[in-house]
Amino acid sequence: DQQVKQNSPSLSVQEGRISILNCDYTNSMFDYFLWYKKYPAEGPTFLISISSIKDKNEDGRFTVFLNKSAKHLSLHIVPSQPGDSAVYFCAASRGSSNTGKLIFGQGTTLQVKP
Amino acid sequence: EAGVAQSPRYKIIEKRQSVAFWCNPISGHATLYWYQQILGQGPKLLIQFQNNGVVDDSQLPKDRFSAERLKGVDSTLKIQPAKLEDSAVYLCASSLGPGQSSYNSPLHFGNGTRLTVT
Repeated sequence: DQQVKQNSPSLSVQEGRISILNCDYTNSMFDYFLWYKKYPAEGPTFLISISSIKDKNEDGRFTVFLNKSAKHLSLHIVPSQPGDSAVYFCAASRGSSNTGKLIFGQGTTLQVKP
Repeated sequence: EAGVAQSPRYKIIEKRQSVAFWCNPISGHATLYWYQQILGQGPKLLIQFQNNGVVDDSQLPKDRFSAERLKGVDSTLKIQPAKLEDSAVYLCASSLGPGQSSYNSPLHFGNGTRLTVT
């Protein structure tokens, strides 16, 4: 039972353009969502998060949008840079005090071409 | 601050052999997690410790996997005997734990141990 899904295994964009990574979830009890970035041979690193009481959170070039009715969230990267090339994981949890029990999506590999 | 340390980085064993992984979390982090990441999938939680107690081990295959966190700091994860399907990256993560500001206290992952079972 895949509760968090990233249906696009890969995405390729040109440097300077916008990257949009999508994530869908099925469990309406999820109330906290995170994006992690992973480079080869390294562990995932935290990128940005959003609580279910918000519909948008922005941090520099990264913005996460949450659509609770559609059970969908997206990560926008503007402008995209070659250093953003990595695997991006969407994750969700229930209960803000328990963010360690994360359910991860399968990941989307982003390639930003110079 | 020093990150989450894991060793070894790589391990190759034959099926039915045993293997152990070690993790040292970020200093002061009360909560420690072991995740399994199979190629092409996202990380899956195996076990969660709060200090030296187990909070959740519902997805740990207890017939072959075991984990401990003595003294509430370092942790070891053991597989005995290993199966081919155990080939994966084993990630250790830590966080400040409940009661802290969760939104500013996401998981911090180590670089993982890549296990290959032949």
